[in-house]
Amino acid sequence: NAGVTQTPKFQVLKTGQSMTLQCAQDMNHEYMSWYRQDPGMGLRLIHYSVGAGITDQGEVPNGYNVSRSTTEDFPLRLLSAAPSQTSVYFCASSYSSTSRGYTFGSGTRLTVV
Amino acid sequence: KQEVTQIPAALSVPEGENLVLNCSFTDSAIYNLQWFRQDPGKGLTSLLLIQSSQREQTSGRLNASLDKSSGRSTLYIAASQPGDSATYLCAVDQGGSEKLVFGKGTKLTVNP
Repeated sequence: NAGVTQTPKFQVLKTGQSMTLQCAQDMNHEYMSWYRQDPGMGLRLIHYSVGAGITDQGEVPNGYNVSRSTTEDFPLRLLSAAPSQTSVYFCASSYSSTSRGYTFGSGTRLTVV
Repeated sequence: KQEVTQIPAALSVPEGENLVLNCSFTDSAIYNLQWFRQDPGKGLTSLLLIQSSQREQTSGRLNASLDKSSGRSTLYIAASQPGDSATYLCAVDQGGSEKLVFGKGTKLTVNP
């Protein structure tokens, strides 16, 4: 099925560990982004990309790295996990024209202990 | 800075009732507005997308309206069913930075 695929669905990390959250889309969307969702805070933008080789920071970028080497993939790296990064992470994609709306992945639930 | 507010934060209704969810935004310079549904522990499912030039969009029992000048959108759900129970999120797309700004959602419970 076409859409946005996120892996893993669940992950538990120890403080200080690093990991990569994977996101892939097969709709040839130029734009991809990462959000985190926390109770009472809503969804907040972490990083986004308007095309391969181009990334930029969102509202809450600290502690996260991204790269976009292909149109399809947009991984999110946690450099040194902290308990404050316990959250649900969503990847989204869209055509850059902004006229067709966004498609979201099913999310990764991350717990940092 | 764009701010999106959804009222009420939670709503409980009996099955069969027609209901309206509200979304307001502070900056009317938007490209479009999108309504999503989120079930507990799940991702976001797109329900309706309204372009800035449109007044409303319909899909089945759902109707979303947009009044850009007043910074408001409503999601109307007709003949509600227990399966409609979920959190409903609205998000505005301002283009440019390609950034969606979300409201905090309305948690809907439809009681059998």
